[in-house]
Amino acid sequence: EAQVTQNPRYLITVTGKKLTVTCSQNMNHEYMSWYRQDPGLGLRQIYYSMNVEVTDKGDVPEGYKVSRKEKRNFPLILESPSPNQTSLYFCASRSAGTSSYNSPLHFGNGTRLTVT
Amino acid sequence: RKEVEQDPGPFNVPEGATVAFNCTYSNSASQSFFWYRQDCRKEPKLLMSVYSSGNEDGRFTAQLNRASQYISLLIRDSKLSDSATYLCVAVTGTASKLTFGTGTRLQVTL
Repeated sequence: EAQVTQNPRYLITVTGKKLTVTCSQNMNHEYMSWYRQDPGLGLRQIYYSMNVEVTDKGDVPEGYKVSRKEKRNFPLILESPSPNQTSLYFCASRSAGTSSYNSPLHFGNGTRLTVT
Repeated sequence: RKEVEQDPGPFNVPEGATVAFNCTYSNSASQSFFWYRQDCRKEPKLLMSVYSSGNEDGRFTAQLNRASQYISLLIRDSKLSDSATYLCVAVTGTASKLTFGTGTRLQVTL
């Protein structure tokens, strides 16, 4: 089954304790992205990657890191989480070929992070 | 001004009603558009792409008006199960920039 898998689904942590949220897709998609979703603000892009070893900042990259060492994986790293990073996070992927502007995003089922 | 704007609603409609949402976009270079459906605390799921000539999928019809820079979603014969938040998305540039609206909430009631 074609899917984007992110883990964990729920995470409660304390300020300053490094954490990683994993994301993996099995559709051979070039493009992967991380979003956070907060009430009233909608989905905001954190980082995206057009292919292996190619990553770029989105609209709200501060406090986050990513890596793309393999095509299928795109982990999100919070080196020193703070309470304002409490949010619902989604990983997503899509094809980035020549007609990619018609390719929709496929989302993982989300990670709800609470930083106390 | 936001790049993609939607009326947050909620739109409360009775079962069987027809309801329409609009979504305006500010970047005239936007190339393609999608409608997603999101249930509470779950991931957005693709509802339909929006084609220039308009397209229909069962009870759902999507339209694009490039001159006025908006897309629309029409839902006919609303079902209780249509209750959700509907997100519009505009794709711009080298396929790297997808901008989401904040969503329109629909509540279908008996």
